[in-house]
Amino acid sequence: EILMTQSPATLSVSPGERVTLSCRASQNIGGNLGWLQQKPGQAPRLLIFDASTRATGIPARFSGSRSGTEYTLTISSLQSEDFAVYFCQQYTDWPLYTFGQGTKLEIK
Amino acid sequence: EVQLVESGGGLVKPGGSLRLSCATSGFTFNQYYMGWVRQAPGKGLEWVSSIGTSDNTFYADSLKGRFSVSRDNAKNSLYLQMNNLRAEDTAVYYCTRAHGEHGLWGQGTLVTVSS
Repeated sequence: EILMTQSPATLSVSPGERVTLSCRASQNIGGNLGWLQQKPGQAPRLLIFDASTRATGIPARFSGSRSGTEYTLTISSLQSEDFAVYFCQQYTDWPLYTFGQGTKLEIK
Repeated sequence: EVQLVESGGGLVKPGGSLRLSCATSGFTFNQYYMGWVRQAPGKGLEWVSSIGTSDNTFYADSLKGRFSVSRDNAKNSLYLQMNNLRAEDTAVYYCTRAHGEHGLWGQGTLVTVSS
């Protein structure tokens, strides 16, 4: 099973700041990674697929990148609506998917 | 509009059964892998099961033998039959479509297993 490890678990940031979230795969997943955003009481929403492509309707302040088995989600300038939990999901092993444990962005 | 709408959740006693449904619309259902992902209260996301376009099925190792996924392409619907339910199966169950650029999630249905 491919393990996905996200860090940090919680990040306290102020609106307007730039933030970087990390997700590390236990083996090469070849860029087959998505980032999901989940707000309280809501379903996850796809932000990024294939490591760096924004899904339809996702603002340009969200970007994704890859370096080997390390994947990064960057939010260039945090807006109030961005405070949420973010999950990474690998699908190189589809249809057996695994998720990171999540990073919670909270207001500082 | 593309939609996934789950139903069938509720309160069930340990050892009981429940059948979840996912009604879909706005896309060609029979062309996509579909699946279920669950989220226990306050926890992360856990893949449960997937079904392919040829009815090939896949399950998380921890669930094999208790859960069964199926689809009805004529009704554009996905199902999850859950038997011998345990307290640790308590979660919101999400219906999902494929992954990557085709990834889509429903709003979820809550299953509570408690006596």
